[in-house]
Amino acid sequence: GAVVSQHPSWVICKSGTSVKIECRSLDFQATTMFWYRQFPKQSLMLMATSNEGSKATYEQGVEKDKFLINHASLTLSTLTVTSAHPEDSSFYICSAEVTGDNQPQHFGDGTRLSIL
Amino acid sequence: SQQGEEDPQALSIQEGENATMNCSYKTSINNLQWYRQNSGRGLVHLILIRSNEREKHSGRLRVTLDTSKKSSSLLITASRAADTASYFCASGPQGGSEKLVFGKGTKLTVNP
Repeated sequence: GAVVSQHPSWVICKSGTSVKIECRSLDFQATTMFWYRQFPKQSLMLMATSNEGSKATYEQGVEKDKFLINHASLTLSTLTVTSAHPEDSSFYICSAEVTGDNQPQHFGDGTRLSIL
Repeated sequence: SQQGEEDPQALSIQEGENATMNCSYKTSINNLQWYRQNSGRGLVHLILIRSNEREKHSGRLRVTLDTSKKSSSLLITASRAADTASYFCASGPQGGSEKLVFGKGTKLTVNP
């Protein structure tokens, strides 16, 4: 149980394109999902906390107009990288948390984004 | 930065040997979690230890937690080549926050 699906797994696009990444909880409802960014050989950096039915909470230094997050249902959050540029190339990972105390987060398989 | 530290950054061992990874964190926690990441993939949850627990086992995994030292360790016994991956600790802070604070990770290589 507690499976999180992330799509697409890999995307290459031209500079200036907007790219949408989907994160779905397949067998549980997630009021909260998280979006991370990971550079090569580094740890995960939390970008934002996605809350169902309300605005996302962004970490310091993350541009909310650049990284649009929508969490319109209890099983789906989307991250849109708007007008992507080469510096936005990275590995993006989402996670979702089962409601309750001391529950682990369940991660998607990540999306490798390459902007040419 | 609130990010924790892990050591070693890289560890290379032979199959059958034990692997120990250490993690330190900075704030008071509700729990400490360990995750594994295979190259180019997402994270897989391994084990969660609560702040009032000192040791926890799951199969070949053993996790300890010392809240007085703000540190945790992950021991993998009888390692296998398939254990090759990066391992991250993540602290679940107190105060109602759901956000995890990840350590920098240990890259484990198990040689057959």
